[in-house]
Amino acid sequence: GAVVSQHPSRVICKSGTSVKIECRSLDFQATTMFWYRQFPKQSLMLMATSNEGSKATYEQGVEKDKFLINHASLTLSTLTVTSAHPEDSSFYICSARVVAGVGTDTQYFGPGTRLTVL
Amino acid sequence: GENVEQHPSTLSVQEGDSAVIKCTYSDSASNYFPWYKQELGKGPQLIIDIRSNVGEKKDQRIAVTLNKTAKHFSLHITETQPEDSAVYFCAASYFTGNQFYFGTGTSLTVIP
Repeated sequence: GAVVSQHPSRVICKSGTSVKIECRSLDFQATTMFWYRQFPKQSLMLMATSNEGSKATYEQGVEKDKFLINHASLTLSTLTVTSAHPEDSSFYICSARVVAGVGTDTQYFGPGTRLTVL
Repeated sequence: GENVEQHPSTLSVQEGDSAVIKCTYSDSASNYFPWYKQELGKGPQLIIDIRSNVGEKKDQRIAVTLNKTAKHFSLHITETQPEDSAVYFCAASYFTGNQFYFGTGTSLTVIP
């Protein structure tokens, strides 16, 4: 149980275009999903916390107009990188927290999306 | 806010030996401590976790210990195998809180 998927796994785009990344909890409902960014050989950097049906909470220094987050259902959150530039190239990972029951404080991570902006 | 430190940053062990990774945290209110394993190009996978009302937890070759007084917790892997090679992250959070505070990661290499 507790499987989180991400799509796409890899994306290459031209500078100035927008890219949407989907994060789905496959076998559980997640009231809260998180988006992280990870640079090579570094730890996970929390970008934002999204709660189903409400606006995302962004961490300091993360541009909310550039990284649009939508959490429309208990199983789906999306991250859209708008007007992407080469400095946005990174590994983006989502995680989801279960709604209730055992392990409600645990985050389950997706496999990540490698974004390369040319 | 919470600050989690993790040591060592790299660790090499011979196959069959034990590996120990240590983390310290700063906020005494933190009460949930998961450990994640991340293989190259993949997302982190939860391998074990511990809550503050427990001092030790074991799952086959993996164990975690927690010292609330000293505010540190450790991951112990016994009888290491080459497939244990990965980056391991510790984290701390409040029981019902949202944010995880991650350590900086330990790159473990198990030498056959």
